[in-house]
Amino acid sequence: KAGVTQTPRYLIKTRGQQVTLSCSPISGHRSVSWYQQTPGQGLQFLFEYFSETQRNKGNFPGRFSGRQFSNSRSEMNVSTLELGDSALYLCASSVSGTGTSRGYTFGSGTRLTVV
Amino acid sequence: DQQVKQNSPSLSVQEGRISILNCDYTNSMFDYFLWYKKYPAEGPTFLISISSIKDKNEDGRFTVFLNKSAKHLSLHIVPSQPGDSAVYFCAASLWGGGNKLTFGTGTQLKVEL
Repeated sequence: KAGVTQTPRYLIKTRGQQVTLSCSPISGHRSVSWYQQTPGQGLQFLFEYFSETQRNKGNFPGRFSGRQFSNSRSEMNVSTLELGDSALYLCASSVSGTGTSRGYTFGSGTRLTVV
Repeated sequence: DQQVKQNSPSLSVQEGRISILNCDYTNSMFDYFLWYKKYPAEGPTFLISISSIKDKNEDGRFTVFLNKSAKHLSLHIVPSQPGDSAVYFCAASLWGGGNKLTFGTGTQLKVEL
């Protein structure tokens, strides 16, 4: 079966712009979580959507937002980009409400560079 | 506040020997722990996990040990193979925390011939 698909793979944006990243989960998976990976910081949790509702949120400013559609596809948006937003953005999908199993699958990520 | 810590950013091991990757955590409410492996330009892939009610879990060459009193877990890889060279992340979750995982900063493992 197809894995978690993230688009685009690479993106270059200018400071002050906004960006939208997309994540298509594995078919049948209803939960999508987003993480930011930066050097030295590991993966930091942004938010989780389950059945179109945001269920968990990490400690990121309001410039970071997301949503989930009825087909479970999810988007995250970052407004007023800053240089520090340059990172690999990963999404992960899961069938159910808990990701503590092998069913938590990551996509390959979107590499965002802010110049 | 880094609740999950991997204090060794890198580790180098010879092929065939044991690799031991360590992870410490501060939140005693974490009840499930996972290890992920990540190759460049790919997303992390699940390796092995352990519930807080256990102290050991094995899967082939991979064994995870949990010491709750010390808030410490470790991943043993025996024998180490060149294909194991990757970044290893430990992660923890809270009961009832949904799919939110708290990750460490990762350890780059290099297995040399």
